[in-house]
Amino acid sequence: DTGVSQDPRHKITKRGQNVTFRCDPISEHNRLYWYRQTLGQGPEFLTYFQNEAQLEKSRLLSDRFSAERPKGSFSTLEIQRTEQGDSAMYLCASSQERWTEAFFGQGTRLTVV
Amino acid sequence: TQLLEQSPQFLSIQEGENLTVYCNSSSVFSSLQWYRQEPGEGPVLLVTVVTGGEVKKLKRLTFQFGDARKDSSLHITAAQPGDTGLYLCAGISGGGADGLTFGKGTHLIIQP
Repeated sequence: DTGVSQDPRHKITKRGQNVTFRCDPISEHNRLYWYRQTLGQGPEFLTYFQNEAQLEKSRLLSDRFSAERPKGSFSTLEIQRTEQGDSAMYLCASSQERWTEAFFGQGTRLTVV
Repeated sequence: TQLLEQSPQFLSIQEGENLTVYCNSSSVFSSLQWYRQEPGEGPVLLVTVVTGGEVKKLKRLTFQFGDARKDSSLHITAAQPGDTGLYLCAGISGGGADGLTFGKGTHLIIQP
């Protein structure tokens, strides 16, 4: 296992289109987190899963955003009707227990034109 | 809302110099983590500090957690160009939200 992987690395989409990102955590990690990072800022928490259960969602996660982790392994983050303000780096992280050691993927860079 | 303030926001120094960056909050954290991030990549965990007053060393990097667990510092000795990057601190509260709260980071440039 080489760590957390995210796909795609880059995505350019037109405003109004839907996009879906995938995150594969480290295999024995039961916690999975999504963050968003805009240029010059630190990552902002979006949501997290304990196995397949989504336990917390940030106010940043509008109703256009949905995340799933159907079998407690990989996770997807979907953004519907994308807006230019959604342009950001979307980061996924996983940990074995509650934030003892959290490891991030390389992120998906989304550009909405 | 728990906020982490990092300072300075930007720092550019010459190779071989020493530097310290700070991470401050009015909130108490059960633990605090430092990450380093390069452009276009995800943050890479450097260290986790848990105990108030704890000091951890990672080669030329020294991390300290404040006694009250509200602040932390990162000291780099004899900085090298490879230390260039965005240094982020992130805190975990003892209760409530389980997501890490990140500071905005310190952009560090080490010039050869």
